[in-house]
Amino acid sequence: DTGVSQDPRHKITKRGQNVTFRCDPISEHNRLYWYRQTLGQGPEFLTYFQNEAQLEKSRLLSDRFSAERPKGSFSTLEIQRTEQGDSAMYLCASSLQGAEEKLFFGSGTQLSVL
Amino acid sequence: GNSVTQMEGPVTLSEEAFLTINCTYTATGYPSLFWYVQYPGEGLQLLLKATKADDKGSNKGFEATYRKETTSFHLEKGSVQVSDSAVYFCALSDLDTGRRALTFGSGTRLQVQP
Repeated sequence: DTGVSQDPRHKITKRGQNVTFRCDPISEHNRLYWYRQTLGQGPEFLTYFQNEAQLEKSRLLSDRFSAERPKGSFSTLEIQRTEQGDSAMYLCASSLQGAEEKLFFGSGTQLSVL
Repeated sequence: GNSVTQMEGPVTLSEEAFLTINCTYTATGYPSLFWYVQYPGEGLQLLLKATKADDKGSNKGFEATYRKETTSFHLEKGSVQVSDSAVYFCALSDLDTGRRALTFGSGTRLQVQP
C-alpha cells in the first residue's frame, strides 16, 4: 500500500493557461474523489468517480474544470483558462466500496495562478 | 444544505493538558460524523467516526460522542502529547440525501508545547 499519490506537488501558472493534475489512488480502491482546499478552510467536494464513471459533480465545478478516470485507475483534473480564484490546494482521495466514508487522502497539488 | 462549524484555532496547550475541540453540524437527514486529522506534511486521515446518535467514536486516546439533541460531535482527549500537533477537521456524511461526498468544517489547528 503506497498510499494516494498526486503529481505535481506544486504548480505555478499564469492566468489563462491550462493545467492538469494527476492522482494515483490506492490500487484496490474503486472510488476516487477530488476536493479543493483554500487557506484556513476545510476541503470542498468537487467530483467523485466509481471506477471510470463520474457519478457526482459539485456546483463548484465550473465548465472550465474537467476530470477523467479513463480506466478506473488514475485520474486527471484539468483546469482550462485558469483564473486567480483557482489558486488552492487540490486534494485527491480514494476509498473502498462499502467503506466510502474512510477516505485516504493524498498530500495534494498546490496551484498558484499569477 | 449540510454544514459543519468548528471552533477557530489555533488551540495552544501544554503537554498533558485536556483537549476539547467543538464541532456542531446542520444536516437534513441522519448523518454519520467524523474527525479527520492532518499531520504536518501529510494527507488527511480518518481519526474516528460515529454513525448514529449516542455512539462514541474513539481512537489513539481521542473520543467524540454523537449528540443529536445538541447537533454536536466535540473531540476530546484527556492528555495531549506534542505528537498530537496537527489540524483537526470535523466532517459529516449524509447518505440519506444520496450524496457520497463528505462535508468538512474549516479545521482547527492544535499546537502542543512541551
